[in-house]
Amino acid sequence: QPVLTQPPSVSGTPGQKVTISCSGSDSNIGSNYVYWYQQFSGAAPKLLIYRNNQRPSGVPDRFTGSKAGTSGSLAISGLRAEDEAEYFCASWDYSRTVVFGGGTKVTV
Amino acid sequence: DVQLLESGGGLARRGESLTLSCSGSGFIFGNYWLNWIRQAPGKGLEWVANIKQDGSDMYYGDSVRGRFAISRDNAKKLLYLQMDSLRVDDTATYFCARTDDGTYLPDHWGQGTRVTVSS
Repeated sequence: QPVLTQPPSVSGTPGQKVTISCSGSDSNIGSNYVYWYQQFSGAAPKLLIYRNNQRPSGVPDRFTGSKAGTSGSLAISGLRAEDEAEYFCASWDYSRTVVFGGGTKVTV
Repeated sequence: DVQLLESGGGLARRGESLTLSCSGSGFIFGNYWLNWIRQAPGKGLEWVANIKQDGSDMYYGDSVRGRFAISRDNAKKLLYLQMDSLRVDDTATYFCARTDDGTYLPDHWGQGTRVTVSS
């Protein structure tokens, strides 16, 4: 069972805004950064958001990350067909492990 | 550009051993923590292990601790994962990933190498 909890799926129509939640605990998200990764079928994950709310160069500003307490969120605004992918959150846990969410499939 | 390229995957039988390698380029290899992360077919991501810049410290996930060993050769810019006592549930695509400086979390990922363990 994944340590971080994400909804298995979210869906939206083009142009809509969708939000993916990532719930953790004091020992991970509550004390450390949240990262988000985007993975297309058959491909490697790609960094989407780092240090809670920072976007690597090349990531559109339609993707926004936030953190509050022991939860993180990823919002995708102006949803596009090309955003259809799986999204994973991750954090460092004080048990000295990297922990991931189970992944959320976004359907447009 | 940062590039990571895994190799060494393939088919093994339960109880056998396999060693994966990951070659890094486009960054100062010895300056970063490095990770192995795996993904079973149709499943989510599972962190396997990571190793400090000079190889002096490493951490493991519960499911592989005592069976897998992570190591690195900074002169050759290579990361390794020695996998012993393989189990059927070790079947997965194994990714190596560089760690974002100071956070323990991956930023750049390789394309992965597939490992299949048969019974």
